[in-house]
Amino acid sequence: DAKTTQPTSMDCAEGRAANLPCNHSTISGNEYVYWYRQIHSQGPQYIIHGLKNNETNEMASLIITEDRKSSTLILPHATLRDTAVYYCIVRASGSARQLTFGSGTQLTVLP
Amino acid sequence: NAGVMQNPRHLVRRRGQEARLRCSPMKGHSHVYWYRQLPEEGLKFMVYLQKENIIDESGMPKERFSAEFPKEGPSILRIQQVVRGDSAAYFCASSPGTNTGELFFGEGSRLTVL
Repeated sequence: DAKTTQPTSMDCAEGRAANLPCNHSTISGNEYVYWYRQIHSQGPQYIIHGLKNNETNEMASLIITEDRKSSTLILPHATLRDTAVYYCIVRASGSARQLTFGSGTQLTVLP
Repeated sequence: NAGVMQNPRHLVRRRGQEARLRCSPMKGHSHVYWYRQLPEEGLKFMVYLQKENIIDESGMPKERFSAEFPKEGPSILRIQQVVRGDSAAYFCASSPGTNTGELFFGEGSRLTVL
């Protein structure tokens, strides 16, 4: 699975959009981009995933560049409860391999 | 709550004792994953199981650790002769199949070795 690079930490003001970037320049054609988050001491939580098209659900939006070498997770109106470590993971569809969590981005939403 | 259930949530053991952590996957899920998170560190994959089969145990320490997912009942992660370095949060996740990277995680079991 392709390796991902994320900033170590980011701050965001409450109520504003949080834009979390992820680089995956070695991504292959059959690899999806997944985003998870882990709120302190809790189990990781799936957020969203995509292949090439932008995706949106009730939690977030995922914007994938045309060359698929990077993506951005957008939390449209960040709240204090969105403070967490956000993980960007690349994995091939149908792969029996486990998800590999990197260091992620610590997002702190400030009041 | 139909989510992934892990128990115990907290477990204290003395060095040399055994620890057994249990995970009941979501209803309809036949794939279970175990991850370990050491204090102030990231999540590390340990083992991936389907019913009665270990599919990938590349992240399991070679000694003292074992896992099973029997035909009936929860998945069990067993740690024999625990040492202080085993103190960590152990997370279980489940999925309905391999054709998805959407895993559903439990709240974890926190093992403290005295």
